Amino acid sequence: EVKLVESGGGLVQPEGSLRLACAASGFTFSNYWMTWVRQAPGKGLEWVANTKKDGSEKNYVDSVKGRFTISRDNAKNSLYLQMSSLRAEDTAVYYCATVATFTGTTWVFENWGRGTLVSVSS
Amino acid sequence: QTVVTQEPSFSVSPGGTVTLTCGLSSGSVSSTYYPSWYQQTPGQAPRTLIYSTRTRSSGVPDRFSGSILGNKAALTITGAQADDESDYYCMLYMGSGISVFGGGTKLTVL
Repeated sequence: EVKLVESGGGLVQPEGSLRLACAASGFTFSNYWMTWVRQAPGKGLEWVANTKKDGSEKNYVDSVKGRFTISRDNAKNSLYLQMSSLRAEDTAVYYCATVATFTGTTWVFENWGRGTLVSVSS
Repeated sequence: QTVVTQEPSFSVSPGGTVTLTCGLSSGSVSSTYYPSWYQQTPGQAPRTLIYSTRTRSSGVPDRFSGSILGNKAALTITGAQADDESDYYCMLYMGSGISVFGGGTKLTVL
């Protein structure tokens, strides 16, 4: 069974930093692109960042470029999101998800964790 | 800036059929955007329903179907049930690793 468990959320002051982690199990982690998606309170889903299977490619939504860094440790089956210069508008539940590409014939966020809440407030 | 458009809300009667759409602020949606659809109930993680326009994810009932209608991607629910009352999000792949979600449609079954 695929399992994704996010951790590291919490309350942080504006301009502060936080590191989220996503522990993966039940599948071959190194075979999958991985992604972070967030959802502000009462709002819709927003794609945040993704990373290629080997970590050699990383992509970000414009609003977090230069502030957030996605990384992965395939030996530990773990995905990370280092967040810095946090703003009130970064307040959200952050989900990690697997990205299924089926060798380039599709692009879908296939399996999701339950999320971790990040609150940015003074 | 690419904006993916969805109806903010929709209602359907139990047993009825409803079609939700997913468009682009500029241009047409085609299969090359690999449209996918996600269902989310309050407090829960999203659940993947449809990918590559029309392929159902594992375990998704066949009353959910995907298609391209005109210049939009579409999610059709046939024989709606009470537990289909959820938020539905479409996502389009823009290439180069960039994904964009629509604003979501709140579906009411009544």
